Amino acid sequence: NAGVTQTPKFQVLKTGQSMTLQCAQDMNHEYMSWYRQDPGMGLRLIHYSVGAGITDQGEVPNGYNVSRSTTEDFPLRLLSAAPSQTSVYFCASSRDRGNQPQHFGDGTRLSIL
Amino acid sequence: SQELEQSPQSLIVQEGKNLTINCTSSKTLYGLYWYKQKYGEGLIFLMMLQKGGEEKSHEKITAKLDEKKQQSSLHITASQPSHAGIYLCGADRGYNTDKLIFGTGTRLQVFP
Repeated sequence: NAGVTQTPKFQVLKTGQSMTLQCAQDMNHEYMSWYRQDPGMGLRLIHYSVGAGITDQGEVPNGYNVSRSTTEDFPLRLLSAAPSQTSVYFCASSRDRGNQPQHFGDGTRLSIL
Repeated sequence: SQELEQSPQSLIVQEGKNLTINCTSSKTLYGLYWYKQKYGEGLIFLMMLQKGGEEKSHEKITAKLDEKKQQSSLHITASQPSHAGIYLCGADRGYNTDKLIFGTGTRLQVFP
């Protein structure tokens, strides 16, 4: 049972490049989410999904897209990378919405030059 | 402004000492979660509190939620080097909400 798997673990991009951060869970969880973690700001919600085909915006969605075609996968796309998007990105999942502890992946460390 | 305030931001204690980390909100908390994070790793779920006055313990870690459900504390008894890491509190924004908010974290170092 792998839990929540994120790839890649590290990535360096140039400004303007696009890329997709992958997230997969094998727990049949309905709820999945993406956070970014920045020094002094804690974790901030980017986008989330309450089930396949359903996504919604969190606190800081600008510059990011998501889709949820299957229960297992929830990729995060950076459309045109900017230095302000340098951060550590975490994917999380839980059985359903609200009042549930979330399971986190190990994170993707992204640097935008 | 941060909706969840954690204090202290950083803590350095000698092995064997007790310590407390606080998490405070200006609004009622519907669900309060404590996580631990080690460098280079994701967040590990520790405990969840939902009812005012609730207290839970796991090994040497005890978490409490006050009666007004606006403040939680995490207490570690007889700290060990294995307790070192970043502790984060998280909370549901409302009842049965889709969104979780987090505090900025408390960095704990335990030296021998």
